[in-house]
Amino acid sequence: AQSVTQPDIHITVSEGASLELRCNYSYGATPYLFWYVQSPGQGLQLLLKYFSGDTLVQGIKGFEAEFKRSQSSFNLRKPSVHWSDAAEYFCAVGSYSSASKIIFGSGTRLSIRP
Amino acid sequence: EAGVAQSPRYKIIEKRQSVAFWCNPISGHATLYWYQQILGQGPKLLIQFQNNGVVDDSQLPKDRFSAERLKGVDSTLKIQPAKLEDSAVYLCASSSAGTVQYFGPGTRLTVT
Repeated sequence: AQSVTQPDIHITVSEGASLELRCNYSYGATPYLFWYVQSPGQGLQLLLKYFSGDTLVQGIKGFEAEFKRSQSSFNLRKPSVHWSDAAEYFCAVGSYSSASKIIFGSGTRLSIRP
Repeated sequence: EAGVAQSPRYKIIEKRQSVAFWCNPISGHATLYWYQQILGQGPKLLIQFQNNGVVDDSQLPKDRFSAERLKGVDSTLKIQPAKLEDSAVYLCASSSAGTVQYFGPGTRLTVT
């Protein structure tokens, strides 16, 4: 069965520091992978997705993620965070055969230290 | 392009009352989803429609939850009767050709 693990419930980084949010997935077939961001009181906004091809994926707002099949990981990175990046981040996995159905991780809450 | 619209944004009801949520997907999106997001958790799929047909409702508590998508556009999700554990944010999403899902702002339900 598909599953997604985000091991960090809450992370605090200083403004201007680099960021890495971890995501591990479990799925037997070729996965489709997503990162979504949710600001307080808002719906989910897609940051980036991986379907195939280059394993380093660029997204919006300066985010990138790298798909590592050998580690079953899809970690999200940003070289320099801004106060506006404070939000909840969700990793999600779908299948090649049924990309329309995706499973979400439990999320990582990001706080920014001034 | 207009995004996914949901209403109401907030709702407070007492247990055993009924409530309904409305969703208008992005124009032309054939697939519509309803998710339940309990505080501190990721969204959990309740039901998925393809046009006006149900694709997956395996996680929908059918004794109290119902959903419909008449004419393959707007959708409503109903809870009757509500329980305390139904307090959550209900998210609607839509997609075209089963790829990226676009989410609405959600409805925050509080059951007292």
